[in-house]
Amino acid sequence: GESVGLHLPTLSVQEGDNSIINCAYSNSASDYFIWYKQESGKGPQFIIDIRSNMDKRQGQRVTVLLNKTVKHLSLQIAATQPGDSAVYFCAENRREGNEKLTFGTGTRLTIIP
Amino acid sequence: KAGVTQTPRYLIKTRGQQVTLSCSPISGHRSVSWYQQTPGQGLQFLFEYFSETQRNKGNFPGRFSGRQFSNSRSEMNVSTLELGDSALYLCASKIGTGYGNTIYFGEGSWLTVV
Repeated sequence: GESVGLHLPTLSVQEGDNSIINCAYSNSASDYFIWYKQESGKGPQFIIDIRSNMDKRQGQRVTVLLNKTVKHLSLQIAATQPGDSAVYFCAENRREGNEKLTFGTGTRLTIIP
Repeated sequence: KAGVTQTPRYLIKTRGQQVTLSCSPISGHRSVSWYQQTPGQGLQFLFEYFSETQRNKGNFPGRFSGRQFSNSRSEMNVSTLELGDSALYLCASKIGTGYGNTIYFGEGSWLTVV
């Protein structure tokens, strides 16, 4: 079946280092991807999005890379800070009339001081 | 600009009861969707409303229902609560229909069924 998933359930990174969180999707019709950050007890917070006609998009300290050939996207966080500790979800939205978001299982990022 | 607002934030209900959750979208946003988040199933889509009409529905039983008002505010209702309905219920809004519009989430309503 179709799915959006993440490669690792947990990731620990030293403060100041860069983090890379990966996500794979199975449906080649997926054409819009979003990364969300969810802190404990809070709702998902929009980080950055990317459309399928792009390979890379940059935000403040974050970069999303999309590889449509292998159906993979990644979220890179530069110079991680303690406040980056959270669960990160990738989600996909498809241009097929059904506008729901399909979420991956999430990666818990822990920043080691 | 205020974000998506959900009430109540926490509630405890007894099995068999019903519950109504409320959501106020970001000002100017006309599309509201609801998601259920549990440790076992993750984030799952419940339904989406636009202009007071349900446009999409996820794979949930008929005990889960919702509605949207003319001011875009939305409510969801769960009847005959079961223990497995314990979850974080998230409301999200976006400016309009169509894919590719940024979807913003509220802080959620934590429902515990005992």
